[in-house]
Amino acid sequence: NAGVTQTPKFQVLKTGQSMTLQCAQDMNHEYMSWYRQDPGMGLRLIHYSVGAGITDQGEVPNGYNVSRSTTEDFPLRLLSAAPSQTSVYFCASGIQGGETQYFGPGTRLLVL
Amino acid sequence: GQQLNQSPQSMFIQEGEDVSMNCTSSSIFNTWLWYKQEPGEGPVLLIALYKAGELTSNGRLTAQFGITRKDSFLNISASIPSDVGIYFCANNFGNEKLTFGTGTRLTIIP
Repeated sequence: NAGVTQTPKFQVLKTGQSMTLQCAQDMNHEYMSWYRQDPGMGLRLIHYSVGAGITDQGEVPNGYNVSRSTTEDFPLRLLSAAPSQTSVYFCASGIQGGETQYFGPGTRLLVL
Repeated sequence: GQQLNQSPQSMFIQEGEDVSMNCTSSSIFNTWLWYKQEPGEGPVLLIALYKAGELTSNGRLTAQFGITRKDSFLNISASIPSDVGIYFCANNFGNEKLTFGTGTRLTIIP
């Protein structure tokens, strides 16, 4: 049981490049979410999904897209990276939203 | 707004000391969650509270659900080096989203 896995662990992008952060969970959780963590800002919710085919915006959704085609996977897409998106990104899953969430190890992204 | 205010922001203590931190909000809650994030890792759930006044322990950690339902407290007794990290409270404001406090960073001085 791997829990929540994220790839890559580290990534450096140039401004304007696109990329996808991968997230997968093997706990059959319906709820999945993406957070970003910046110094002094805690964890801020980007997007979330309550089940396959359903996604919604969190607190800071601009510049990010998500999709949920399967229960297991919830990728986060940056269409045109900006330096303001330099951050640590965490994926999480849980039985339902607003309750206990299980986090992945994070992806550290630097946008130059 | 929907905010969870944590204090203190950071703590520098010596090994063996007790630690106290709290989380407050202007909203009333039915649950409180406490997470710990170790350096380079994702947050991990420490304690979940489900009833006002509830006192729950997990080893040397004890958390309390405030009687007003607007606050919660986390205490660590006899701190050890592996207690280092950032401690977050978390809650939901009646929706499908888990909101986190800004965290309390704990550093242990040798």
